[in-house]
Amino acid sequence: NAGVTQTPKFRILKIGQSMTLQCTQDMNHNYMYWYRQDPGMGLKLIYYSVGAGITDKGEVPNGYNVSRSTTEDFPLRLELAAPSQTSVYFCASSYWGGKETQYFGPGTRLLVL
Amino acid sequence: AQTVTQSQPEMSVQEAETVTLSCTYDTSESDYYLFWYKQPPSRQMILVIRQEAYKQQNATENRFSVNFQKAAKSFSLKISDSQLGDAAMYFCAYMYSGGGADGLTFGKGTHLIIQP
Repeated sequence: NAGVTQTPKFRILKIGQSMTLQCTQDMNHNYMYWYRQDPGMGLKLIYYSVGAGITDKGEVPNGYNVSRSTTEDFPLRLELAAPSQTSVYFCASSYWGGKETQYFGPGTRLLVL
Repeated sequence: AQTVTQSQPEMSVQEAETVTLSCTYDTSESDYYLFWYKQPPSRQMILVIRQEAYKQQNATENRFSVNFQKAAKSFSLKISDSQLGDAAMYFCAYMYSGGGADGLTFGKGTHLIIQP
């Protein structure tokens, strides 16, 4: 199993550009999450999904959109990138919620200039 | 809303010694889970240990153990026989047990330095 994979690893965007961060898991997990980690901070939840076709907002959803058309994929869309979105983005998945271990991807580092 | 506080931005310990990382949290819930995650320079998030709030017994995983004080809302991590590979950022995290769909709430982290 590859676990949770994320692409790209690093990207530079210009202000106002858009992009999609890809996340795929091969563990047949129901729950998937997107977090962002700003310098010197812990991770904050952007969006989550409890299954295909079901998504909901986390703590910091503004400026982002998600979709979940399959169990495996959970892409994160950035529209009209802003410097405040410069961060490291982590995707995670777990079989269920609660005490279930969340498995994290390696992260995508995004720089908006 | 729940919050997680790690009051030690950085800790340093000699190799083979024991170190304790502090974490406090605030929640109005009685049933929840607590976690410690390790983030080495590679940025990969690695689960170190977890604790169910309804369990009084403190969790242990080899050299890692926790001191869970529910009434005080305290959840410290003890690392025994520190090794160079333990050097990393350590994050304390909380999750409400009601479905878990809210995701993890993280503290700001403690940077652990291991002195050889």
